[in-house]
Amino acid sequence: EVQLVETGGGFIPPGGSLRLSCAASGFNFNKYGMNWVRQAPGKGLEWISFIRSGGTIMYYADSVKGRFTISRDNARNSVFLQMNSLRAEDTAVYYCATIDCSGGSCFPFYFDSWGQGTLVTVSS
Amino acid sequence: DIQMTQSPSSVSASVGDRVTITCQASEGIASWLAWYQQKPGKAPKILISAASTLESGVPSRFSGRGSGTDFTLTISSLQPEDFATYYCQQTNSFPLTFGGGTKVEVK
Repeated sequence: EVQLVETGGGFIPPGGSLRLSCAASGFNFNKYGMNWVRQAPGKGLEWISFIRSGGTIMYYADSVKGRFTISRDNARNSVFLQMNSLRAEDTAVYYCATIDCSGGSCFPFYFDSWGQGTLVTVSS
Repeated sequence: DIQMTQSPSSVSASVGDRVTITCQASEGIASWLAWYQQKPGKAPKILISAASTLESGVPSRFSGRGSGTDFTLTISSLQPEDFATYYCQQTNSFPLTFGGGTKVEVK
């Protein structure tokens, strides 16, 4: 059974930093691209970052580019999101989600599994 | 970036009703569209990939159609467990983008 467990959320003042983790199990982690998708309270879904299975290709939404960094540790079946210079508008539930890259290509880019999410609140 | 526009933003329906949600892409994406269902306090769950491909375990009352820029998700006979919010997502290119969501509510 696929399991994704996000941790690291919490309450942080504007300008602060936070590191989220997502621990994966139940599938061949090395064959999947990993993503972070967030959802502000009462709002819709926003994709923010992707890292390919090998860890050498990363993409970011403009809203977080230059402030957030995605990384992964395939030996620990984990993906991380380092969030710096946090703003009030970064307040959201952060989900990690998988994209299947087992066929060699990750295309098409749909999310086949999701974690339960971790809440990040940026406020003074 | 590809913009995704969903309508309506909410719909009131009764058990047994047929419900159709539309999603429009700002540029052609062939059949590269997914649909998700999200219940309150839960993570989204994929229903349909590639515009019309039903994911494993998804009831056959859900169906998707469309290509290019215009897509639909139809629930043929609404069940109590289907009251939720539905999102479309273009799976064609980064940055990946979602529609604004459609909340299916009890009439």
